[in-house]
Amino acid sequence: QVHLVQSGSELKKPGASVTVSCKASGYSFSDYAINWVRQAPGQGLEWMGWINTKTGSPTYAQGFPGRFVFSLDTSVNTVYLQISDLKAEDTAVYYCAKIWSGSYFYDWGQGTLVTVSS
Amino acid sequence: QSALTQPASVSGSPGQSITISCSGTSTDIGNYKYVSWYQQHPGKAPKLMIYDVSSRPLGVSNRFSGSKSGNTASLTISGLQADDEADYYCSSYAANSALIFGGGTTVTVL
Repeated sequence: QVHLVQSGSELKKPGASVTVSCKASGYSFSDYAINWVRQAPGQGLEWMGWINTKTGSPTYAQGFPGRFVFSLDTSVNTVYLQISDLKAEDTAVYYCAKIWSGSYFYDWGQGTLVTVSS
Repeated sequence: QSALTQPASVSGSPGQSITISCSGTSTDIGNYKYVSWYQQHPGKAPKLMIYDVSSRPLGVSNRFSGSKSGNTASLTISGLQADDEADYYCSSYAANSALIFGGGTTVTVL
């Protein structure tokens, strides 16, 4: 059974950095890309991009500047989202999701709330 | 790419059918068959309900159906039930290998 377990909620001050982890289990980690999806409070879903879990190569959606970085550690089947120079508008729930059938997300992490506040 | 356009809210009585529209362009919905729908209950992760415009993953009720015409996709929920009350998001593959979501529709069961 596929499981994606994310790290816990974070409270950060503006200008700080945060790393959200997403640990995968129950399938062959390197066979399926992991995507990240953002959901600001009371707002809709926003696709952030994905990381190739075989090569480690990231692809970022438009609108996500260099402050957002995807990485992975294959030794522990974990993908990371690092956000630097945090801003109030980065406050959101961040989900990791395993790609399925090319363009869909069947398995999701539970979400990680990142709150940026002074 | 801009978000796909969905109505903010749709409501219906138990047992009724409702349809949620999702309007895109010729560079996303109109050009690809990779349209999907997600259901999201408050505080929960989204759940895939429809993929490839009209296919249902295993375990999803056949009360949920999807279709597409031109640049607009639709999700129909028939035999509306209390547990169908949730937010629904459409999604489409788009040019430059992007994925885009709609703004979301809140379904209320009266």
